[in-house]
Amino acid sequence: VQLLESGGGLVQPGGSLRLSCAASGFSFGTFAMSWVRQAPGKGLEWVSSISGSGGGTYYADSVKGRFTISRDNAKNTVYLQMNSLRAEDTAVYYCAKPHLPSGYFDDWGQGTLVTVSS
Amino acid sequence: EIVLTQSPGTLSLSPGERATLSCRASQSVSSTFLAWYQQKPGQAPRLLIYGASSRATGIPDRFSGSGSGTDFTLTISRLEPEDFAVYYCQQYGSLLWTFGQGTKVEIK
Repeated sequence: VQLLESGGGLVQPGGSLRLSCAASGFSFGTFAMSWVRQAPGKGLEWVSSISGSGGGTYYADSVKGRFTISRDNAKNTVYLQMNSLRAEDTAVYYCAKPHLPSGYFDDWGQGTLVTVSS
Repeated sequence: EIVLTQSPGTLSLSPGERATLSCRASQSVSSTFLAWYQQKPGQAPRLLIYGASSRATGIPDRFSGSGSGTDFTLTISRLEPEDFAVYYCQQYGSLLWTFGQGTKVEIK
């Protein structure tokens, strides 16, 4: 299993950014996918998850209404569209594969850094 | 939302010693949905334990998990130099995931 994130960078407060996670080594369309973030020097925070079909999407309260998760099963890629970004969204964003129904994350990407600053 | 509280925040131990890390939930969690991770600086988290007590693939048997209800424990029987890291517990339920704030195991 390989998960490769991209799209991170520096963005101004109020701006937008789209993260991508390219997956390989497993039957992508049959697995839910998630994003988990980690602010500098802080702990892990679950951000969002999407079902294998894309029909179910779930968000932490801290990002609901601002972030949108989606996936393209033909491209084996999951996305995180981040709008109205705030300084507190600054973090390393990890793509992770949850093992359902137990919910543990058995595979992780290397992460991509998002910095929200003027 | 279930809140996970880990203690202690930092554990200072020597190699060869036993480490006992605690994770307490604000309400009962099924053991099926409780996991532990290890994270080293600059690296992604690594799954250690799932289902409260099952070791993930390739995890040495010095790592063990136990507990039920609201109290869970990760035990490292004899610390190796590579075990000094931050450890997180995590639970899943009702389409929401939460993590504890982490316990840092540092060299004394």
